Amino acid sequence: QSALTQPPSASGSPGQSVTISCTGTSSDVGAYNYVSWYRHHPGKAPKLMIYEVTKRPSGVPDRFSGSKSGNTASLTVSGLQAEDEADYYCSSYAGTNNPYVVFGGGTKLTVL
Amino acid sequence: QVQLQESGPGLVKPSETLSLTCALSGYSSSSGYYWGWIRQPPGKGLEWIGILYHTVRAYYNPSLRSRVAMSVDTSKKHFSLKLSSVTAADTAMYYCAKAMTTVTPWAFDVWGQGTVVTVSP
Repeated sequence: QSALTQPPSASGSPGQSVTISCTGTSSDVGAYNYVSWYRHHPGKAPKLMIYEVTKRPSGVPDRFSGSKSGNTASLTVSGLQAEDEADYYCSSYAGTNNPYVVFGGGTKLTVL
Repeated sequence: QVQLQESGPGLVKPSETLSLTCALSGYSSSSGYYWGWIRQPPGKGLEWIGILYHTVRAYYNPSLRSRVAMSVDTSKKHFSLKLSSVTAADTAMYYCAKAMTTVTPWAFDVWGQGTVVTVSP
């Protein structure tokens, strides 16, 4: 199984919006609505920001939104804040007979 | 407040078995949830290792399936990971986590802080 494809970096100025893509295949992202997004500050535990493509866990601000089109999922962060500078990882359910999850390679988001 | 804490040897010799434990707190019971392990090699992205539901259902990463075993101890409120025949490629930060839901346990909403495991002679 191959990792999902994410751009290695993304950036934006405070207050702006940025979108991070996550490209998979018709066997994972394209087949199921089980895409998740995590924010990871180095040295800390990853934090779930989006699950099941568009849902936000309790406590996650609505500045974070998710979407999917075909084999590509996207995370949009609006109203960028300094605390948003982190690594972002997508993941997707990727199995049928043998359920498992595949992660993307990660995107480093820089707030300029 | 749900919390998870990983523990285990920080150094494992090649060909030996890596054993980690995740202690649970803030739960009334460790049953009724999926528990999982994820790792991050140095300088690389996250890798899903697998998840376990109580003692009856486990799903593992196909690339690790032949070497991985997970278990849960409901009385002691912890769950464990064993990874056999380790090599340097298994050097990573290892995280334990709780799945968001029991119906579709493919996202983790609670994570431990992680523990570093180095495989070296």
